Amino acid sequence: GNSVTQMEGPVTLSEEAFLTINCTYTATGYPSLFWYVQYPGEGLQLLLKATKADDKGSNKGFEATYRKETTSFHLEKGSVQVSDSAVYFCALINYGQNFVFGPGTRLSVLP
Amino acid sequence: DTAVSQTPKYLVTQMGNDKSIKCEQNLGHDTMYWYKQDSKKFLKIMFSYNNKELIINETVPNRFSPKSPDKAHLNLHINSLELGDSAVYFCASSPSGRDHEQFFGPGTRLTVL
Repeated sequence: GNSVTQMEGPVTLSEEAFLTINCTYTATGYPSLFWYVQYPGEGLQLLLKATKADDKGSNKGFEATYRKETTSFHLEKGSVQVSDSAVYFCALINYGQNFVFGPGTRLSVLP
Repeated sequence: DTAVSQTPKYLVTQMGNDKSIKCEQNLGHDTMYWYKQDSKKFLKIMFSYNNKELIINETVPNRFSPKSPDKAHLNLHINSLELGDSAVYFCASSPSGRDHEQFFGPGTRLTVL
C-alpha cells in the first residue's frame, strides 16, 4: 500500500538557519504530494503541493520538488523564522485512494 | 467565514459516557473526513463520507459512528468512551478529484477521565 516516511524530529534550529525536512514515499502510479503545517493548537493547513514529477511547490519561502526517481518530496526553506515553529506533515494521495500522512516532524526555531 | 468548523473545541467526560462532535463545512465539498491525532501527533483517518455514503472505514471500533445529515455536515458519535479515546479529533473536507487538498477544522480535544 501507499506510505509516507519523514525524518524524525524534533528539529531545532536557530533563526535564519537553512531547513530541510526529508520525506520519501511508497506508492504505485503517480500520486500527488503535499506538505501540511500544523501550528500549536490549530488544525492542519496546506503549505504546498505538487501533482506530477519534477513539479516544484512553493509557498511562504518553503519549497519542495517532486522527485519520482528518488520517490522524495523534501521540504526546504532558506531562512527560518521563529514563527515557522510547527509540526510539518508530508502526505500523498493516489487516485481513488485515501490521503496518507507521514508521522509529522516537529520544528522549533529559536531566536 | 470559517470553512470547516467543529464543536466543541474541548470535551472532557467520564469513561463509559456517550458523546458527539459536530462538523460543518461551507465550501460545497463532496467529501468529508474524520481523523484522530494522538499525543505524538500521528494522524489516523477514521472515516470519510462522499455524497452521504461511507466510502472508507479503517479499523475503528464500532463504538465510533459517523452521521451525515447532509453534504455539509459529518458528525462523530462515540459510545461507551474509553481512556484510549483521548485524543484530538479533526474533521476535514475536500472536493472530488485526486489532486485536491483537504481542508481541516480546528480540532476537538477529547479527554476521557
